[in-house]
Amino acid sequence: DAKTTQPPSMDCAEGRAANLPCNHSTISGNEYVYWYRQIHSQGPQYIIHGLKNNETNEMASLIITEDRKSSTLILPHATLRDTAVYYCIVRVDYKLSFGAGTTVTVRA
Amino acid sequence: DAGVIQSPRHEVTEMGQEVTLRCKPISGHDYLFWYRQTMMRGLELLIYFNNNVPIDDSGMPEDRFSAKMPNASFSTLKIQPSEPRDSAVYFCASSPLAGAGGELFFGEGSRLTVL
Repeated sequence: DAKTTQPPSMDCAEGRAANLPCNHSTISGNEYVYWYRQIHSQGPQYIIHGLKNNETNEMASLIITEDRKSSTLILPHATLRDTAVYYCIVRVDYKLSFGAGTTVTVRA
Repeated sequence: DAGVIQSPRHEVTEMGQEVTLRCKPISGHDYLFWYRQTMMRGLELLIYFNNNVPIDDSGMPEDRFSAKMPNASFSTLKIQPSEPRDSAVYFCASSPLAGAGGELFFGEGSRLTVL
């Protein structure tokens, strides 16, 4: 699986959009971009995934660049409950290889 | 839907003892995964099953670790004998689909402490 690079941490103000970047410059054509998050002491939770096109669901939006070498997860209106570690993963099969992720702290 | 259920949630044991962690996947999910999380190594895939058959156990650290899935609704991860370095949170996850597009649903984890 392609490696991903994420900033180790970021802060966000409550109510504002949180934009989480991910670099995956070695991604191959059939690898999907997945985002999971892990709230303290809980199991990882699926957020969203995409291949080429931008995707949106009730939790977040995923913007993938045209060359697919990077992507951005957008939490449109961050709340305190969004404080978590966010993992960007590229995956072609069953294996989810989790990196260190980005620790996002939402502040009131 | 009850989600993936793991037990025990917490286990404290002494070095050398046998430890058995249990998992009940979501009904109808054909894939089951065991992950381990530590501060040093993050989340690691240990083994996964498809239709109760182990498919890839390359992540199992050593022979002291074994996993079984006797039926579609139950799996165990056993450590015998346990060592302090096995202390970690062990997560079970299930999925209705493998490959890209298959979302993994994780349980709450079993926190193991080996003294």
